[in-house]
Amino acid sequence: DIQMTQSPSSLSASVGDRVTITCRPSQSISKYLNWYQQKPGRAPKVLIYAASSLQSGVPSRFSGSGSGTDFTLTISSLQPEDFATYYCQQSYSTPRTFGQGTKLEIK
Amino acid sequence: EVQLLESGGGLVQPGGSLRLSCAASGFSFSSYAMSWVRQAPGKGLEWVSVISSGGTTYYADSVKGRFTISRDNSKNTVYLQMNSLRAEDTAVYYCAKEGWWEVLMGNYFEYWGQGTLVTVSS
Repeated sequence: DIQMTQSPSSLSASVGDRVTITCRPSQSISKYLNWYQQKPGRAPKVLIYAASSLQSGVPSRFSGSGSGTDFTLTISSLQPEDFATYYCQQSYSTPRTFGQGTKLEIK
Repeated sequence: EVQLLESGGGLVQPGGSLRLSCAASGFSFSSYAMSWVRQAPGKGLEWVSVISSGGTTYYADSVKGRFTISRDNSKNTVYLQMNSLRAEDTAVYYCAKEGWWEVLMGNYFEYWGQGTLVTVSS
């Protein structure tokens, strides 16, 4: 199975900050990497697919980059509604595995 | 508008069985793969199973041999039959419609239901 490691596990930031979350799979997955946002008590929501493609309706302050074994999710200017938990997920092979999550909290 | 509505969750004793359903609407159900993803209380996301549009199925090792995914395209519904349930199966179970940008590997969980809670306890 491909292990997905996110860093950091938690992060405190302020509104307006630029934030970067990293995801590293245990083997190369080309660009088969997706990012999700989950708020407490809610279902996850896809933000980015294919490493860098913005899902329709997602604000442009979210962006993804990377390939192989090194990926990043960047939020260019944090908004109050962005405080949530973020997960990466690989679709390169079955089982499809998720990172452990990064909880983004208000400083 | 895509809608996914899960049902069938509840409290069950260890060793028991439960069948989850996910009723879909707002898209051409028979054309898309559907997955189940679960989340134990306070934990992260775990993919459970997928069924392709053609009926091919895959499972996480943790549920293989105990869970069965199926679909009824005439009812726009996907199911998860869960047998021999264990305490560690306690979780919110989400069904998800898969989107894709490339055949075979370019999948992602495009839409999610609200989830149904399964609690395995005596």
